Amino acid sequence: AQSVAQPEDQVNVAEGNPLTVKCTYSVSGNPYLFWYVQYPNRGLQFLLKYITGDNLVKGSYGFEAEFNKSQTSFHLKKPSALVSDSALYFCAVRDGQRGYSTLTFGKGTMLLVSP
Amino acid sequence: GAGVSQSPSNKVTEKGKDVELRCDPISGHTALYWYRQSLGQGLEFLIYFQGNSAPDKSGLPSDRFSAERTGGSVSTLTIQRTQQEDSAVYLCASSLYGGLTDSPDQYFGPGTRLTVT
Repeated sequence: AQSVAQPEDQVNVAEGNPLTVKCTYSVSGNPYLFWYVQYPNRGLQFLLKYITGDNLVKGSYGFEAEFNKSQTSFHLKKPSALVSDSALYFCAVRDGQRGYSTLTFGKGTMLLVSP
Repeated sequence: GAGVSQSPSNKVTEKGKDVELRCDPISGHTALYWYRQSLGQGLEFLIYFQGNSAPDKSGLPSDRFSAERTGGSVSTLTIQRTQQEDSAVYLCASSLYGGLTDSPDQYFGPGTRLTVT
């Protein structure tokens, strides 16, 4: 079965500092990986995805993620955090075992950026 | 263009009552998904529709849950005889198709927050 782990419930970072939100995965076959962000009282917004190709994926709002096959990780990064980046972040993996695509999500990591 | 919309945004109901949650997918998207976001379970898949085909109900947590999709567009998730453990945010998502090629992006609605008292 596909699974995703986000080991940190919360990440705190000061504005202007780099941020990393960790994600590791377990899949059979090639991994299709995603990051979503959820602002308060809002739905999930797509940030970026890795299907194939370059290990460094660039996404919305200046975020990027690095796919590392040997470490089965897909950490989300941003060089300089903004207070407005404070939100709940979900890592997800495509689950195709039902014969169609669904997403299996991690538990989420709350990112708090302080001024 | 318009995104995925859901209604109501909030619903408070008494235990034992039935509720209906509505989802309007992005126009042209053939695949539609329902997920549930709860404190204890995180985000979990509930049900999938591809066009007008019969849905895959394997993710539904109990037979009190059902869903339909009319005309390959709007979907309604119905919960009968609601229980307190049904309290959660119910998220709808749509994508161009639901196949396994290239994993098309899923676009999520704002969710319906259901509270069962």
